Amino acid sequence: GNSVTQMEGPVTLSEEAFLTINCTYTATGYPSLFWYVQYPGEGLQLLLKATKADDKGSNKGFEATYRKETTSFHLEKGSVQVSDSAVYFCALSDKNAGNMLTFGGGTRLMVKP
Amino acid sequence: KAGVTQTPRYLIKTRGQQVTLSCSPISGHRSVSWYQQTPGQGLQFLFEYFSETQRNKGNFPGRFSGRQFSNSRSEMNVSTLELGDSALYLCASSLGMGGLAYNEQFFGPGTRLTVL
Repeated sequence: GNSVTQMEGPVTLSEEAFLTINCTYTATGYPSLFWYVQYPGEGLQLLLKATKADDKGSNKGFEATYRKETTSFHLEKGSVQVSDSAVYFCALSDKNAGNMLTFGGGTRLMVKP
Repeated sequence: KAGVTQTPRYLIKTRGQQVTLSCSPISGHRSVSWYQQTPGQGLQFLFEYFSETQRNKGNFPGRFSGRQFSNSRSEMNVSTLELGDSALYLCASSLGMGGLAYNEQFFGPGTRLTVL
């Protein structure tokens, strides 16, 4: 079946540091890939997505590129802010599975001023 | 436009009881999906409803059930509660169009269920 593996946290960075959160996946076919963010006490918010190989999703300074050859979708940001502190989830959707998302375990990011 | 709302936000039950959680989707959205979030198992898909019909189901026991009403509001029910059912239950709504193609989902804040 489908699965998503992402680096365990917490990841602790200083403000303005470079961020990478690794995500790899296993899926049959060609899934769509997503990064969601969860702030304390809130539900998930879609951060960015990519629907086919070599697509780059980007939003609010975050980027991730769909790499089919390495089955990866790593999240990056050039300069993090304290307000980026949250839990980040990598997820995939199989083309024939409707709205069912398969999530990674989540990575907590803590940014210190 | 109002977002996805879930009620109640917090719930405490004891083992053996049953519980019903409610989710009101964004206006115009016809699909509602439910997820369970726990520290040990992470986020897991429970089921999806579209136009009052269950169209996808995850790997949960029959104690977990759901339904959707004609106004797209959805409820999920857990019977004979176990300690391991303590979790944050999230619902997500989407337009749900295009058959089995993925539609962007919008998540509610969740209902935190504690089973004692």
